[in-house]
This record gives sequence, C-alpha cells and structure tokens, in this order.
Amino acid sequence: DGGITQSPKYLFRKEGQNVTLSCEQNLNHDAMYWYRQDPGQGLRLIYYSQIVNDFQKGDIAEGYSVSREKKESFPLTVTSAQKNPTAFYLCASGPSDIVLTGELFFGEGSRLTVL
Amino acid sequence: DQQVKQNSPSLSVQEGRISILNCDYTNSMFDYFLWYKKYPAEGPTFLISISSIKDKNEDGRFTVFLNKSAKHLSLHIVPSQPGDSAVYFCAANAGGTSYGKLTFGQGTILTVHP
Repeated sequence: DGGITQSPKYLFRKEGQNVTLSCEQNLNHDAMYWYRQDPGQGLRLIYYSQIVNDFQKGDIAEGYSVSREKKESFPLTVTSAQKNPTAFYLCASGPSDIVLTGELFFGEGSRLTVL
Repeated sequence: DQQVKQNSPSLSVQEGRISILNCDYTNSMFDYFLWYKKYPAEGPTFLISISSIKDKNEDGRFTVFLNKSAKHLSLHIVPSQPGDSAVYFCAANAGGTSYGKLTFGQGTILTVHP
C-alpha cells in the first residue's frame, strides 16, 4: 500500500538530548513537509522540501533540522535548542501539482514527550 | 498573527442534522482552501477543497462554501453521522511560490450524537 510512515509513534526524551523522527513515503511525491500540532492550535509548518537535497524553513524552524538525501525520506531532528519540544509531529507529502491545490497526504504522527 | 481562524473550538450536533463548521481568513493571497478531518492520534485526511474562483463545491454529504468578500468559508455536513465525530481543520494555500505551504486554523471538534 502507498502511504507515509512515521516512526516512532511515541518517543520520550530527556532534556538536552537530540532526537530524530523518521518519515518515509512511497507515493513518489516530490514535496515533503513537517508540521507540529499543539493543543488548541492549528498545525504549524516547521520545514519543507520541494526536491531532493533542498529544503526551506517554515514558520517555526528554530531548534529543528532536516535533511532530504532521498526522495522517499525526510527525517526531522529535534535539537536541544528547541525550547518546548513536547508536541505531536506530523509529516506530509504532496504531488508535483501541489502548487495548485495544496492537498497534502499525512502520516499518522509521532508524539514526542520531553521528561 | 493567525491568518486562518476557526473561532468555534467545538460543535455538538444530533445525528441526521446539519453540521456547519466555520473558518475565517485574513490573507488576500490565499486562493485555495481545504478541509481536513483528523481522528485522535492519527494524521489529518483530506476531505474537500475549493478554489477561489468558485463559491461552492459539493462532494456527497459535504459542501464547502466560500465568501471571498467576507473572507469566510464554511463546511456543511448533511446529514451528520456519528462517524463524522472528529477534529476538522480549515487550511489555506497561497499558491504560486508557496508551493503547498498550507496555513491551518486551530481546528473544531465536532461531536455527532446518536
């Protein structure tokens, strides 16, 4: 089945540690995105990538880093510089005509809790 | 600055009745609007969309209305079913160089009672 796979589903981190969230898609989509969801707030864009080896900062990129070495993969690292990392993280991808519609396909999310 | 707002955090409706979810936006550059549905601990799934050149789009029980002059859109669900109970997010896309960068509202929790 085609889709987006995020792992791990749940992750606990001690303060000061970096963690990496995995996102893999087999939809052959060019564009990939990372969003963060907090209670009572909409999804906020962290980083996005339109093509391999290129990515752009979203609205809340501070304390995060990404890479896009393969079309299928877009891992997100939450660094110790992120002041409030506890949240639900969503990865998404979109086809090449995304510029026209904005219709994204989302993974099931990863919940990160900082202890 | 919240460019897409869903002012009702929650909505409760009886099964069979109409559900109306509202969304307001401030950015005139938005030209494509989408509604996503989200169940707990899952990613959002696309529901329905509308281009700014239209004022209505229908898909089965779901209809989205767009009022550009008021910068307002709404999602109507008729008839509502218990399985529709979820969080509904309104999203907007400015197209062009924004390349699918969606701006989301805060979400509205819809509960449909049997």
